[in-house]
Amino acid sequence: GAGVSQSPSNKVTEKGKDVELRCDPISGHTALYWYRQSLGQGLEFLIYFQGNSAPDKSGLPSDRFSAERTGGSVSTLTIQRTQQEDSAVYLCASSLGGRVGEQYFGPGTRLTVT
Amino acid sequence: QKEVEQNSGPLSVPEGAIASLNCTYSDRGSQSFFWYRQYSGKSPELIMFIYSNGDKEDGRFTAQLNKASQYVSLLIRDSQPSDSATYLCAVSRAQTGANNLFFGTGTRLTVIP
Repeated sequence: GAGVSQSPSNKVTEKGKDVELRCDPISGHTALYWYRQSLGQGLEFLIYFQGNSAPDKSGLPSDRFSAERTGGSVSTLTIQRTQQEDSAVYLCASSLGGRVGEQYFGPGTRLTVT
Repeated sequence: QKEVEQNSGPLSVPEGAIASLNCTYSDRGSQSFFWYRQYSGKSPELIMFIYSNGDKEDGRFTAQLNKASQYVSLLIRDSQPSDSATYLCAVSRAQTGANNLFFGTGTRLTVIP
């Protein structure tokens, strides 16, 4: 079946602009995660959605970052007033609700802020 | 103290050898343990999980868990050049309502032909 999809695959933006990154999880997966991975670094947790529960936003690095998940499916990560340090690969993952460790990752969006 | 710690490597082994990757975690209440493989420029993919103390084998891969010592390891037998990747250890804690999966920073493995 279809895996996790993300769009765009690449995004180049100027410093100060807003960007939106999209994630379409595997159908039926109630849990959705956003991570950030800088070059050569590990995964940095950003935000977690589980069903209709309030999201865990504890990983968001600043108030310029926000995310929403509509209808329990598609999620959008928004970065306002982008900075050069926001440049990274943004990864989305989904899992069945009770299997948080068995995550399926999308291909990622490579964000470059110039 | 980090939730999950791994030696960043790089770890180099010759083709056909056993590669041993180690991971320690800080929370004794951790319940589930996972190994992800990430090829360069690609996304992580789950390759093994283990919930109970002892060994779990799947093909050339064996996951080992020792809760008393708070470590989990991954052994790759008969290492192949195609095993060259970064291996991420992930640990799930016993908490609900919030993200409870914590990743290590990964160990980079190179298998030399």
